[in-house]
Amino acid sequence: QKEVEQNSGPLSVPEGAIASLNCTYSDRGSQSFFWYRQYSGKSPELIMFIYSNGDKEDGRFTAQLNKASQYVSLLIRDSQPSDSATYLCAVGWGYGGSQGNLIFGKGTKLSVKP
Amino acid sequence: GAGVSQSPSNKVTEKGKDVELRCDPISGHTALYWYRQSLGQGLEFLIYFQGNSAPDKSGLPSDRFSAERTGGSVSTLTIQRTQQEDSAVYLCASSPTGAETQYFGPGTRLLVL
Repeated sequence: QKEVEQNSGPLSVPEGAIASLNCTYSDRGSQSFFWYRQYSGKSPELIMFIYSNGDKEDGRFTAQLNKASQYVSLLIRDSQPSDSATYLCAVGWGYGGSQGNLIFGKGTKLSVKP
Repeated sequence: GAGVSQSPSNKVTEKGKDVELRCDPISGHTALYWYRQSLGQGLEFLIYFQGNSAPDKSGLPSDRFSAERTGGSVSTLTIQRTQQEDSAVYLCASSPTGAETQYFGPGTRLLVL
């Protein structure tokens, strides 16, 4: 059974702080990792994807991947109230080497307080 | 370019009725996915299409659920004899070939009374 685990939160941080969101996964064969943001009542939207061990930065967001520990995280620097949402971690698996199917975690709810 | 579209955006039906949900993926995307999200819950995978074929139907919760895709484009998810536990948001996503990022539609909110 492939599983993706996230703390449900809520994670509350003050405006301007760093928010750290964590995710672990069970399938060692997974090769692709995604972070989606979902505002209440809206559909998920992609923030970042990462395929290689290490850090990947995009603006205020940094994704970190450690395949040996089966761990992926998302750091949000200078958190803003508009970052308040549920963050979904998704891990790819698939057929014949494709990583097209995603297993989603249940999400971590982030609240950024002004 | 248009994103993934879904219709209807909201559907209220009575228990026991059949419903059809439609997904129109991003033009040229060969992979299409259906998910279900119940209130406060994570995304539950239902079915995946590559072109018109469905290599993975493992997520369909019961034989009341079926889906098809024609012309490598539009997909319909059909729920027969709806039950109250079918109430959820049904999300469709597409990706270019199935090995990349999935882009989500706005969802169909289904309420079974």
